[in-house]
Amino acid sequence: AQSVTQPDIHITVSEGASLELRCNYSYGATPYLFWYVQSPGQGLQLLLKYFSGDTLVQGIKGFEAEFKRSQSSFNLRKPSVHWSDAAEYFCAVGARLNNDMRFGAGTRLTVKP
Amino acid sequence: DAGVIQSPRHEVTEMGQEVTLRCKPISGHNSLFWYRQTMMRGLELLIYFNNNVPIDDSGMPEDRFSAKMPNASFSTLKIQPSEPRDSAVYFCASTNRELWDTQYFGPGTRLTVL
Repeated sequence: AQSVTQPDIHITVSEGASLELRCNYSYGATPYLFWYVQSPGQGLQLLLKYFSGDTLVQGIKGFEAEFKRSQSSFNLRKPSVHWSDAAEYFCAVGARLNNDMRFGAGTRLTVKP
Repeated sequence: DAGVIQSPRHEVTEMGQEVTLRCKPISGHNSLFWYRQTMMRGLELLIYFNNNVPIDDSGMPEDRFSAKMPNASFSTLKIQPSEPRDSAVYFCASTNRELWDTQYFGPGTRLTVL
């Protein structure tokens, strides 16, 4: 079965600074990769996804992610963080062959003023 | 369009009581998922339905948990009897695609079992 690792449990950045959240996956076939955001008291909302094609994917709220097959990574980036980006971020891997979806443990983002 | 609707949003109950969580998926979605989120175990898939039929319930922790989907617009997750270790946030999600594709989550039900 596939697996997802988000190495950072908690990250703090200053407002206006750049952000990169790490995600590594393990899967023998072509993965379908997702980033979701969970604001306090809310459900998960899709930020972006990668199925195929251009390895740099643009999402909502100014986020982007890059798929690097050689590194089994799908890191999330944002050039300038806003206070409203404070939330928990989940990476997920969908496995078509296994008909399965696995979520990472999440990275909590704190934004300092 | 309304998103996934869950009720109640918060539930506090005492050990041994029956708890029923409710979910209304997005209209037109044919798959529905129940997840449990805890600090220790993260987000776990409990069960998922496709066209109202349970497809995989291997994530249901034990017989105290049961889920039903009597029609395309309603599902319940029941815990009977409840235990303190069941305290968690329970999410319902739906999709009109496959399990491994985009899912749309409800706001969750925060369950506290005393």
